[in-house]
Amino acid sequence: EVQLVESGGVVIQPGGSLRLSCAASGFIFDDYTMYWVRQAPGKGLEWVSFISWDGGSTYYADSVKGRFTISRDNIKNSLYLQMDSLRTEDTALYYCAKAIEFYDFWSASDYWGQGTLVTVSS
Amino acid sequence: EIVLTQSPGTLSLSPGERATLSCRASQSVNSNYLAWYQQIPGQAPRLLIYATSSRATGIPDRFSGSGSGTDFTLTISRLEPEDFVVYYCQQYGSSPLTFGGGTKVEIK
Repeated sequence: EVQLVESGGVVIQPGGSLRLSCAASGFIFDDYTMYWVRQAPGKGLEWVSFISWDGGSTYYADSVKGRFTISRDNIKNSLYLQMDSLRTEDTALYYCAKAIEFYDFWSASDYWGQGTLVTVSS
Repeated sequence: EIVLTQSPGTLSLSPGERATLSCRASQSVNSNYLAWYQQIPGQAPRLLIYATSSRATGIPDRFSGSGSGTDFTLTISRLEPEDFVVYYCQQYGSSPLTFGGGTKVEIK
């Protein structure tokens, strides 16, 4: 059974840094592109970043480019999101998600974690 | 950036009726890489349709997707009580990946 479990969400002050983690199991982790998607309270979905199966390619939304860094550890079956220079508008539930097709860079996401809440507030 | 506009914002229908949800892109979606997700309040999104018309594993056949280029549709042939939630479209053919604003299907 595929499982994605996010962790690391906290209440943090503007300007602070945070690292989110996503522990994956139930599939061959290093075969799949992985995604971070966020959802502000009461709002819609916003794609944040994705990383290819081998970690060689990464993409970011303009809203986080230069502040967030996605990475993965294929030995530990884990996905990460390093978040720096946090802003109040980064407050959201952060989901990690898995690509539906293996070795596919452009893919929909067939499995999602339950999310971890990041609150940026003074 | 490809902007996705979903309409209507809210769709009021009765159980057993047919629902037609629209997703319009500001420019052509590469390879018709358009997906639909369902989100129940308090839960993570669930993939329904990918590549415009392919049903994800375990999705009932009352859900179907169609379209091409800039105009895409999710159809629910006969609404079940559990279908009255929010639906999002997403294009994943080019960066940045983008989502539509969502359509809420409510009980009339």
